[in-house]
Amino acid sequence: AQSVTQLGSHVSVSEGALVLLRCNYSSSVPPYLFWYVQYPNQGLQLLLKYTSAATLVKGINGFEAEFKKSETSFHLTKPSAHMSDAAEYFCAVSHGGTSYGKLTFGQGTILTVHP
Amino acid sequence: GAGVSQSPSNKVTEKGKDVELRCDPISGHTALYWYRQSLGQGLEFLIYFQGNSAPDKSGLPSDRFSAERTGGSVSTLTIQRTQQEDSAVYLCASSDTLILEQFFGPGTRLTVL
Repeated sequence: AQSVTQLGSHVSVSEGALVLLRCNYSSSVPPYLFWYVQYPNQGLQLLLKYTSAATLVKGINGFEAEFKKSETSFHLTKPSAHMSDAAEYFCAVSHGGTSYGKLTFGQGTILTVHP
Repeated sequence: GAGVSQSPSNKVTEKGKDVELRCDPISGHTALYWYRQSLGQGLEFLIYFQGNSAPDKSGLPSDRFSAERTGGSVSTLTIQRTQQEDSAVYLCASSDTLILEQFFGPGTRLTVL
């Protein structure tokens, strides 16, 4: 069975600082991995996805993530935080087989950016 | 083009009543998903429709929950005899199978009094 663990329910950074949001997964099959962002009172928006192509994935808004099979990790980074990055971030893994689209989400990490 | 829409945006009901939540997916998307987002449980998968295949209902928490998708488009999630623990935001998503990316609607916030 697939599962996702996000380390740190809250992360606080200064504007301009590096953002690092951690995600570890377990999967019995080669995974598809995703990062979604949720702004207050809005639905989820896809930031980026890994689907077994390049291990370094670039997404929207300057975010990127690196798939590391040996560490079963898919951490999200951004070199320089902006105030508009404040939101909740979810890592997710896709199931394989006939339900490959079914997502299992981590518990989420709330990112706070302070001036 | 239009995104995934859900209605109502908010629903307040009394314990024991039935509720119906609606989802209009992006036109042409063959897959449709329902998730529930609550404080205690995070984001949970409920049910998944893919084309004409039998839906994957493995995430439905009880037999009070059901969903249908008519004509391969609009979906309705029905909760019978609502309980206070059903209070949550219910999110719908759709995807083009080939792309895998799921596009989410804004959700329906359900409050059971």
